Amino acid sequence: EAQVTQNPRYLITVTGKKLTVTCSQNMNHEYMSWYRQDPGLGLRQIYYSMNVEVTDKGDVPEGYKVSRKEKRNFPLILESPSPNQTSLYFCASSLEVSYTEAFFGQGTRLTVV
Amino acid sequence: GENVEQHPSTLSVQEGDSAVIKCTYSDSASNYFPWYKQELGKRPQLIIDIRSNVGEKKDQRIAVTLNKTAKHFSLHITETQPEDSAVYFCAAAISGNTPLVFGKGTRLSVIA
Repeated sequence: EAQVTQNPRYLITVTGKKLTVTCSQNMNHEYMSWYRQDPGLGLRQIYYSMNVEVTDKGDVPEGYKVSRKEKRNFPLILESPSPNQTSLYFCASSLEVSYTEAFFGQGTRLTVV
Repeated sequence: GENVEQHPSTLSVQEGDSAVIKCTYSDSASNYFPWYKQELGKRPQLIIDIRSNVGEKKDQRIAVTLNKTAKHFSLHITETQPEDSAVYFCAAAISGNTPLVFGKGTRLSVIA
């Protein structure tokens, strides 16, 4: 089954404790991206990747890191999480950037206390 | 960069009525305009998209129209049903070139 898988689905952590949210797709897509969703603000892009070893900042990259060492995986890293990073996070992938359907993961609800 | 404005932010309609959600974009080079539906607690999913070489596209009860001159596009849902209740996001991009920029979303409630 074609899918984008994120883990974990829910995470509560403390300020400053490094965490990683994993994202994996099995569709051989070139393009992957991370979004955060906050009430009233919609989907805002954090980082994206056009291909392996190619990553770029989105609209809200501060406080986040990503890597794309393999085509299927695109982890999101919060080196020192802060309460303002409490949000719902989505990973997405598509065959090419903005050309065909973007498939979203199930979402990760992160709470930083 | 691209900026997408979406209106209204909330919309309530009676079951069977039509619903219209409007979006405007700023970059005249944008040529790909998808719409995503996000049901409560679920992930966004593509419901319809349109490219700038067409003015209208329909899929059963859903249609999207595009006015490139005015730089706006709209989602039309006819004969609304309770299962249409969701948050709808529009987006715009230069196809194959720039990432999607999403509007802030419209929460549609269909009242039975």
